[in-house]
Amino acid sequence: GQQVMQIPQYQHVQEGEDFTTYCNSSTTLSNIQWYKQRPGGHPVFLIQLVKSGEVKKQKRLTFQFGEAKKNSSLHITATQTTDVGTYFCAGDRPSGSARQLTFGSGTQLTVLP
Amino acid sequence: EAGVAQSPRYKIIEKRQSVAFWCNPISGHATLYWYQQILGQGPKLLIQFQNNGVVDDSQLPKDRFSAERLKGVDSTLKIQPAKLEDSAVYLCASSAWNPGQGAYEQYFGPGTRLTVT
Repeated sequence: GQQVMQIPQYQHVQEGEDFTTYCNSSTTLSNIQWYKQRPGGHPVFLIQLVKSGEVKKQKRLTFQFGEAKKNSSLHITATQTTDVGTYFCAGDRPSGSARQLTFGSGTQLTVLP
Repeated sequence: EAGVAQSPRYKIIEKRQSVAFWCNPISGHATLYWYQQILGQGPKLLIQFQNNGVVDDSQLPKDRFSAERLKGVDSTLKIQPAKLEDSAVYLCASSAWNPGQGAYEQYFGPGTRLTVT
């Protein structure tokens, strides 16, 4: 079955430093979504990438989708304490069925003030 | 608009007991999902409904788990009998097209934290 892996599993940064998490799929994806889960909370949708090589930005967050549509990254510039949480990528399989996401294991970000 | 509602928020049971979780999706959302999230892992899809029909239940342990969405709105997930390894947060989500994002966005409920002792 489809597998989605994320690295690193944990990341501690000093406030103001940059942060990057990487996502790799065992199969080609039709699209990839990114979610953020605050401690004790539930996943919240951030963005979806569809096109090969696509890059999208949301303020300090930059999302990239690989040319082969099998990997993706999320980069946060100048982290803030509000960025604390676990970031998940979720790959959408290229089938004709309704959307089904396979989530990665997540990267837990800690921002030290 | 109101979000995805789930109850109960917490449940503690002994192994071999039964438990049921309830979910009410966002009004108008045809697709409903149940996920299992074990501590330190990403959500794992258990079952996906489109209206009241099952789209995918390939990862649902059918010998002990069951789910239904009889009227195409709210849904229940049941575990009978529970095992220690079922301890997890059970998340319900519903999805709809977000034209601003150009994507089917999943909206998650707060989850039910199940502890099996």
